[in-house]
Amino acid sequence: AQSVTQLGSHVSVSEGALVLLRCNYSSSVPPYLFWYVQYPNQGLQLLLKYTTGATLVKGINGFEAEFKKSETSFHLTKPSAHMSDAAEYFCAVSEWDAGNMLTFGGGTRLMVKP
Amino acid sequence: DSGVTQTPKHLITATGQRVTLRCSPRSGDLSVYWYQQSLDQGLQFLIQYYNGEERAKGNILERFSAQQFPDLHSELNLSSLELGDSALYFCASRGYAGGELPGTDTQYFGPGTRLTVL
Repeated sequence: AQSVTQLGSHVSVSEGALVLLRCNYSSSVPPYLFWYVQYPNQGLQLLLKYTTGATLVKGINGFEAEFKKSETSFHLTKPSAHMSDAAEYFCAVSEWDAGNMLTFGGGTRLMVKP
Repeated sequence: DSGVTQTPKHLITATGQRVTLRCSPRSGDLSVYWYQQSLDQGLQFLIQYYNGEERAKGNILERFSAQQFPDLHSELNLSSLELGDSALYFCASRGYAGGELPGTDTQYFGPGTRLTVL
């Protein structure tokens, strides 16, 4: 079975600072990787996904992530944090050979200080 | 708005009771997934249906069951409820765009149903 580890359940940055949320996965097959964001009292919204091809993936709201196979990582970054980025972020891997369900990491709560 | 609707938004009930959560997928989506989000277990996959048939099962308890109806809406039934069943239950539907590789298409999540068992 595949698994996802998100380092740091809470990350705090200042407004305008770099955002870096870490995600490592384990997979015996080429993974499909996703980042979702959950705002308070809302469902999950897709930020970006990696399937094949270019390893640097750009998503919505200025976020991007880089797939590094050698490091089994898919870290999420944003050059400059906004107050509106405060939310919980989930990294997930798709089990494409078993119904395409998503296996999620534990989540990282991003706090943005003014 | 993802296009996936879930009702009710909140549900408060007592231990031992039975509840039904409802999900309507996005128009045209045939796949429905159910996930549970709790403080203890995080976000976990429960079960998947595709066009009325069960396709995959995750960490779903025997007290829980689901079905997908001909109009593609789905219901998750939770019975003999325990305090530990208190959680946020999400439904997601999958939009397969045809040309994409299996597993790469996006799952669209509903707003969830918050279940509180007292």
